[in-house]
Amino acid sequence: GNSVTQMEGPVTLSEEAFLTINCTYTATGYPSLFWYVQYPGEGLQLLLKATKADDKGSNKGFEATYRKETTSFHLEKGSVQVSDSAVYFCARLNSGNTPLVFGKGTRLSVIA
Amino acid sequence: EPEVTQTPSHQVTQMGQEVILRCVPISNHLYFYWYRQILGQKVEFLVSFYNNEISEKSEIFDDQFSVERPDGSNFTLKIRSTKLEDSAMYFCASNTRVTGTDTQYFGPGTRLTVL
Repeated sequence: GNSVTQMEGPVTLSEEAFLTINCTYTATGYPSLFWYVQYPGEGLQLLLKATKADDKGSNKGFEATYRKETTSFHLEKGSVQVSDSAVYFCARLNSGNTPLVFGKGTRLSVIA
Repeated sequence: EPEVTQTPSHQVTQMGQEVILRCVPISNHLYFYWYRQILGQKVEFLVSFYNNEISEKSEIFDDQFSVERPDGSNFTLKIRSTKLEDSAMYFCASNTRVTGTDTQYFGPGTRLTVL
């Protein structure tokens, strides 16, 4: 199938800690991969994306590399801030206008 | 920067009532989507729409749901007879008709509460 699996949350980190949120996908076709972020009380915002193997998406200090050999797209940030507290969703897209398939989301809380 | 807008931000309704959720996609986009997120759960696809017809729908999108593009800007989701389990955040999204992968841009969502 076309599923996405994320690590269970919640994740609680101190400010300036290193963040990794794991995401793996089923190896069906050649999907594009995305991370969306949902801040408290808000909608979904695209954080970053990668469209093919070995691509690295990056934005706001976050990075994720499309790893075909491990079918993974782990989200990383070297130094988190309180303002990064949100729910992070990994998602895949099989082709241009098909539906996005989301993971369950990982809630991140960053404490000062 | 253009964005997807949705109204209302919060809708409260009684079970069995009809609701219409409204979306204005980004103006040059031609593919439109509805997703929903039940509180604390993952975002689920409902339906996609292109060229004035449904392109794809999930098993969630049963006969109680319908979509429409009544004019050149709005895209609506109607739930004919709401149930308690329809309470969720409903997100509209849109993207262009560019072939290959394209990013879906999401609206801020409408929180639907069915009492």
